[in-house]
Amino acid sequence: GQNIDQPTEMTATEGAIVQINCTYQTSGFNGLFWYQQHAGEAPTFLSYNVLDGLEEKGRFSSFLSRSKGYSYLLLKELQMKDSASYLCAVRGPALYDKIIFGKGTRLHILP
Amino acid sequence: DAGVIQSPRHEVTEMGQEVTLRCKPISGHDYLFWYRQTMMRGLELLIYFNNNVPIDDSGMPEDRFSAKMPNASFSTLKIQPSEPRDSAVYFCASSLDGTQYFGPGTRLLVL
Repeated sequence: GQNIDQPTEMTATEGAIVQINCTYQTSGFNGLFWYQQHAGEAPTFLSYNVLDGLEEKGRFSSFLSRSKGYSYLLLKELQMKDSASYLCAVRGPALYDKIIFGKGTRLHILP
Repeated sequence: DAGVIQSPRHEVTEMGQEVTLRCKPISGHDYLFWYRQTMMRGLELLIYFNNNVPIDDSGMPEDRFSAKMPNASFSTLKIQPSEPRDSAVYFCASSLDGTQYFGPGTRLLVL
């Protein structure tokens, strides 16, 4: 089976840095995704990691450790528009296996 | 390029009625996914297709749910008869290279 854990809610201040953690236990692994979802909208793709290490994309970075079953999403220079839910998702062993989503972390940004 | 298109965007119906949700994937994408999202259960995969063929329908909650993909540009998810516990947001997503792109969703309320 597959299990994905991430904190339910987090709060951070505008301009600061926040790290959202995700741990997973899966019977096979072929990549980890992070999606952003604003309230009332669809999830949108942020990042994809399949090898260990850090992937940086502007203000957002994502890290993966396959041996630890651990990932984090790092958001720098937080803006009010970053208030959203962040979903961690894991794909099974085959390249086109289904993706299982965690329940998401609701991030609140304070001015 | 148009994204994933879903209709209707909102649906309110009474218990026992048939509900049909529609999805047009991104042109050229060969995978199509149907998800359901609720506060309690998060984003759940219901069924997915590859080249119009259902690959995994293990997430379909029960026989009241059915999905079809008659061609590469159209899919339906049908609930018959609908029940109040089916109230949720239903997302369709498509992919070509493993990254999924979501439609805006259909917000379903069953009274």
